[in-house]
Amino acid sequence: RKEVEQDPGPFNVPEGATVAFNCTYSNSASQSFFWYRQDCRKEPKLLMSVYSSGNEDGRFTAQLNRASQYISLLIRDSKLSDSATYLCVVNQNSGNTPLVFGKGTRLSVIA
Amino acid sequence: DAGVIQSPRHEVTEMGQEVTLRCKPISGHNSLFWYRQTMMRGLELLIYFNNNVPIDDSGMPEDRFSAKMPNASFSTLKIQPSEPRDSAVYFCASSQVGGGYTFGSGTRLTVV
Repeated sequence: RKEVEQDPGPFNVPEGATVAFNCTYSNSASQSFFWYRQDCRKEPKLLMSVYSSGNEDGRFTAQLNRASQYISLLIRDSKLSDSATYLCVVNQNSGNTPLVFGKGTRLSVIA
Repeated sequence: DAGVIQSPRHEVTEMGQEVTLRCKPISGHNSLFWYRQTMMRGLELLIYFNNNVPIDDSGMPEDRFSAKMPNASFSTLKIQPSEPRDSAVYFCASSQVGGGYTFGSGTRLTVV
């Protein structure tokens, strides 16, 4: 079983739609969780951290369910500029240990 | 700050040649990570350093791959001899303790 699993997509949605991505992780001892965004032919960049209580940043909402080892990202009112690959990322330990990346979910927002 | 700087941006080489990828982390960051990204396997960790010391190189595919970090401001990833299956985008990232990663722009390697 892969450490971090995501639906690869692509998700093709019209502008203004709400879209949700899901991710599962295998290591129950994982400590911290993130969503990264990667544009085509660019490097990954941090979108937001994911906290147990859930957190929101504008149109983006992230949720964590430790019992189910499940992470989600909700994007409301999709914009064309949201088109990218969204990577689910897990840190299995504290401190400066490596992040484990999912393979990503590709989103295309269509006019 | 200029961010994490990788060179070259693109490299095309013939099978059997030596390839050296370079990375300059952000000043003050004490951890450095080398990742490889392919369509099939996504982002895979190759090796990482804390305070210039290699901590885990279990992700290095085989003996053809080696990495060094002679000082806090420079790291190299070397492939010798290169093979077509090494073709990928190689990313370097740096971070402070407990901080987020900053990735470089990557090196797109093509081995023909």
